[in-house]
Amino acid sequence: SQTIHQWPATLVQPVGSPLSLECTVEGTSNPNLYWYRQAAGRGLQLLFYSVGIGQISSEVPQNLSASRPQDRQFILSSKKLLLSDSGFYLCAWRDMTYEQYFGPGTRLTVT
Amino acid sequence: SQQGEEDPQALSIQEGENATMNCSYKTSINNLQWYRQNSGRGLVHLILIRSNEREKHSGRLRVTLDTSKKSSSLLITASRAADTASYFCATDTSGNRDDKIIFGKGTRLHILP
Repeated sequence: SQTIHQWPATLVQPVGSPLSLECTVEGTSNPNLYWYRQAAGRGLQLLFYSVGIGQISSEVPQNLSASRPQDRQFILSSKKLLLSDSGFYLCAWRDMTYEQYFGPGTRLTVT
Repeated sequence: SQQGEEDPQALSIQEGENATMNCSYKTSINNLQWYRQNSGRGLVHLILIRSNEREKHSGRLRVTLDTSKKSSSLLITASRAADTASYFCATDTSGNRDDKIIFGKGTRLHILP
């Protein structure tokens, strides 16, 4: 069966510090991968999606970036965090039936 | 960009009643999906309806899709306290030069005991 992992579960970082959130998927190959951000009490904002290794599509211009160094690994990064980067970050993968499966999320607080 | 737009934003009903949530979208889609999110957790896929389908059932869930009106509804029958959660619609435009799923802002459903 397929599993999606995200870490860390929670993170508190000062403004201006770097960020690296990791997402890995098990039990499937060549998945479409997605990063979303959810502000408190709000909907999901699509940040990045990837259809293959090294292929990243960006939805929202910002100080975040994403990389896919391996087939089942998706990384969200920032060189310098802003207060507005606080939120709940969700990674997801999609199967051939078009359903998305979400990881448990990372709650990021930028102080 | 926001594709799906759910309404109402929040809904409180008595346990046992039916809950109806609506979703409107803007562009053509391949399919529309509904997800559920318990507070502070990841999203769970509930049901997918393809653009050539008009209605779909799964247990106590019924989803309709009207592509002419670009709208969908999710009906939860005989609601239970455990149905309290946020519900999101998501539109899939795969093949239309992109491969992304766009979520609405969600409806917060509260089932009263």
